[in-house]
Parts: sequence; C-alpha cells; structure tokens
Amino acid sequence: DAGVIQSPRHEVTEMGQEVTLRCKPISGHDYLFWYRQTMMRGLELLIYFNNNVPIDDSGMPEDRFSAKMPNASFSTLKIQPSEPRDSAVYFCASSLRENYGYTFGSGTRLTVV
Amino acid sequence: LAKTTQPISMDSYEGQEVNITCSHNNIATNDYITWYQQFPSQGPRFIIQGYKTKVTNEVASLFIPADRKSSTLSLPRVSLSDTAVYYCLVGGLALYNQGGKLIFGQGTELSVKP
Repeated sequence: DAGVIQSPRHEVTEMGQEVTLRCKPISGHDYLFWYRQTMMRGLELLIYFNNNVPIDDSGMPEDRFSAKMPNASFSTLKIQPSEPRDSAVYFCASSLRENYGYTFGSGTRLTVV
Repeated sequence: LAKTTQPISMDSYEGQEVNITCSHNNIATNDYITWYQQFPSQGPRFIIQGYKTKVTNEVASLFIPADRKSSTLSLPRVSLSDTAVYYCLVGGLALYNQGGKLIFGQGTELSVKP
C-alpha cells in the first residue's frame, strides 16, 4: 500500500484565496483525521471521520475551515478565505480503529502570504 | 482525556539505551498508552501501544507499572537516526470507549549525538 497520500506537498497562496488540501487514506481504514502542526501550538486535531461521516469537528478553528469526505478514498480540507495565521503543516491520518495505529501522510506545508 | 507530562528534551549518545518517561496521573481504566515518533518534515509514526506491564516490538519496549500512572518508552542502543520527537498519548480504544480520540502533547525532543 502506498500509505496515506496528501497533495499538494507545498502550497503558497495569498491572503484571501481559497485553499484546498487533499487526502487519500489507506484502503480499508475506516477512520480519517486532519491535524495541523505549528511551532507554537504543536499538533492539533481539527476533525475526524468514521465511515465518511464527520464525528468530531470541535478542533476546527473557525467557519473558514471546512472538511468533507465524499467517499472512503478521498477527503478534502478547505480554507476560505485563507489568512497568514493559517500557515502550518496539515497532516491527514487514517486508521483501522479510533485510537490505534494511525498512519500519517507526509503533510502539506501551507504558507499564506 | 488524560493529560500527559513528559520531558521537553533529552540528549543521548549513539549505542546507549534511552528511556523516556511519561506521567499520566488521571489515566482512566479503559485508556491505552500509545507512543509516536516524528522526524522533521514527516508525519508522526506509530511506535508502540500497551495497557499494562511490558510490551516489546522490533523498535522499542514499553514499561507500564501496576498503577499505570506513568509509562516508560525504552529505545535500545540508539543511533543518530533515532533523533526525533517522541509523543506519549493516552486514550481509549473504540472497543471500550466510544468517542475517544488521540490528542498529541508537546512531546520529547530526543537528540542522539555521535
């Protein structure tokens, strides 16, 4: 298996633009997680899905952030409009069970200027 | 969710055994202890998970005392490539505790020197 695949690896955008991050989980994994990592705040859980259904989005910072999982093999995290404080590395992870053996993707490094 | 406390940083030399201790005083009965490793510019990688006593795999050992209020990750004979951030997490498995999820703390930055 190719593991969790995220795209793009790097994204530089101007403030106010829409940004879409993409994730393909490992086939057969029922759970998908979106994390954000910054030096100041460390790794933060934004939202997670079970069987394509959002279970907990309490970590989503504000309404500018939205996430979808239209099918078992694809998820998106969208920021609209983007702001400089959104600059971070965004990780997607998937797992067979809720708290065991997460496999993380390589992340998307987002820079908003 | 049980809060974890671990050292911010540790230094070691190649070939030594490294033990990283994590405190989790308010761990719940159904909580498991999980450790992840993160290299720069990569996502965290699952290392090991346990509930009590000792767990060992090809990468590390995990020691959990009877009261489960702490745990120790043991890395045998570290090399330069073990330089990374190590996270201790506590949470329930879906089988026992619906709605649990893993929350990452600040982790321990391990630096292995030649």
